Amino acid sequence: QQPVQSPQAVILREGEDAVINCSSSKALYSVHWYRQKHGEAPVFLMILLKGGEQKGHEKISASFNEKKQQSSLYLTASQLSYSGTYFCGTGGGAQKLVFGQGTRLTINP
Amino acid sequence: DAGVIQSPRHEVTEMGQEVTLRCKPISGHNSLFWYRQTMMRGLELLIYFNNNVPIDDSGMPEDRFSAKMPNASFSTLKIQPSEPRDSAVYFCASSFSSSYNEQFFGPGTRLTVL
Repeated sequence: QQPVQSPQAVILREGEDAVINCSSSKALYSVHWYRQKHGEAPVFLMILLKGGEQKGHEKISASFNEKKQQSSLYLTASQLSYSGTYFCGTGGGAQKLVFGQGTRLTINP
Repeated sequence: DAGVIQSPRHEVTEMGQEVTLRCKPISGHNSLFWYRQTMMRGLELLIYFNNNVPIDDSGMPEDRFSAKMPNASFSTLKIQPSEPRDSAVYFCASSFSSSYNEQFFGPGTRLTVL
């Protein structure tokens, strides 16, 4: 079942913070976050694993609440380069990911 | 290092024609995924392979779609016959075999069926 992302769209000024949420109705073993710029392929940002381990890079952080089956992506002091559509992909233990519908983030100067 | 390679990048065809999309995964990766992206349905997994073996094809829309991975460095997604509703961007992604590893996406093939 597709995870639900919120909000669907966000418009920020450069330097502002944003939080993107991802909720699932199924038990989660991992949550993957990807960013896609217009006309390009999705690019990996971060993986959060059951048990708290986090793998990722860039100046973006995230949390994973296993009990609530939710994850949140935190973008602080946003830069113009952060613009794009953010997808969470949820895994139930196998490699198969189910992606949310995406959150479009626009950063204005 | 070369990333995931897909061809063609753009394909325009007429309804009823056969379409073949190609993918070369990153060398050393043993998992390969085919996704379809549309505005209405978002990013959907069609099928994935581990060590050249199809593991889950539950996302393949119907019998008109088929995918093969004859070796570790090549995969195809075929649509026969194609229909206008198949118009979408098709992505191929590869990774090391684990649910905890990132997937590397290719640039995609934009398919338009007239």
